[in-house]
Amino acid sequence: QSALTQPPSASGSPGQSVTISCTGTSSNVGGYNFVSWYQQHPGKAPKLIIYEVSKRPSGVPDRFSGSKSGNTASLTVSGLQADDESDYYCSSYAGSHNVIFGGGTKLTVL
Amino acid sequence: QVQLVQSGAEVTKPGASVKLSCKASGDRFSGYLMHWVRQAPGQRLEWMGWVNTNNGNTKYSENFQGRVTITRDTSASTAYMELSSLRFEDTAVFYCAREMGGGVNSAFDIWGQGTKVTVSS
Repeated sequence: QSALTQPPSASGSPGQSVTISCTGTSSNVGGYNFVSWYQQHPGKAPKLIIYEVSKRPSGVPDRFSGSKSGNTASLTVSGLQADDESDYYCSSYAGSHNVIFGGGTKLTVL
Repeated sequence: QVQLVQSGAEVTKPGASVKLSCKASGDRFSGYLMHWVRQAPGQRLEWMGWVNTNNGNTKYSENFQGRVTITRDTSASTAYMELSSLRFEDTAVFYCAREMGGGVNSAFDIWGQGTKVTVSS
């Protein structure tokens, strides 16, 4: 299985909004509402920030939001803060009890 | 507070096998899917497979099929991942991660701290 497609990098200034895309196929992203997003700081384990396309776990700020259209899911980070600088990964259920991750996006806060 | 605590770093040789552990504490062990994820240095997360902590059923990524075995010991609240025929490109951090909600949405809400495996001759 190849990875879901994410842009390698994204950037924005403090206070701005940035959106990261995650493109798959009808066999994964487009076929199920089971897209998740993870934030990973260097040397740390990933942290779940969005699940089931647009739901936030308890404790995740509402500055993080998710959506999906067709085979592409998106993560929007609003009101960028310095601590948002991190790697972000999407994942999706891929049928037959499989999971697939994206290639990751490095978000830089300028 | 639910925690997954993984075993320590390993250094091993090409062709060998390695078995990593992931011990759960602070919540019931059974009733979840426990996944394993590989991350090579500077690379993306790569899903390897899962074990059903209730019945021991497993599912493996086709990318690791034949080389990976995931098991669990409910009495020890521990999941294990064994990777065989190790290659230099298996040098990575391996994470265990629990799927939320008992395995309904492929979202991993609890992660172990990771175990670094170095394959070196």
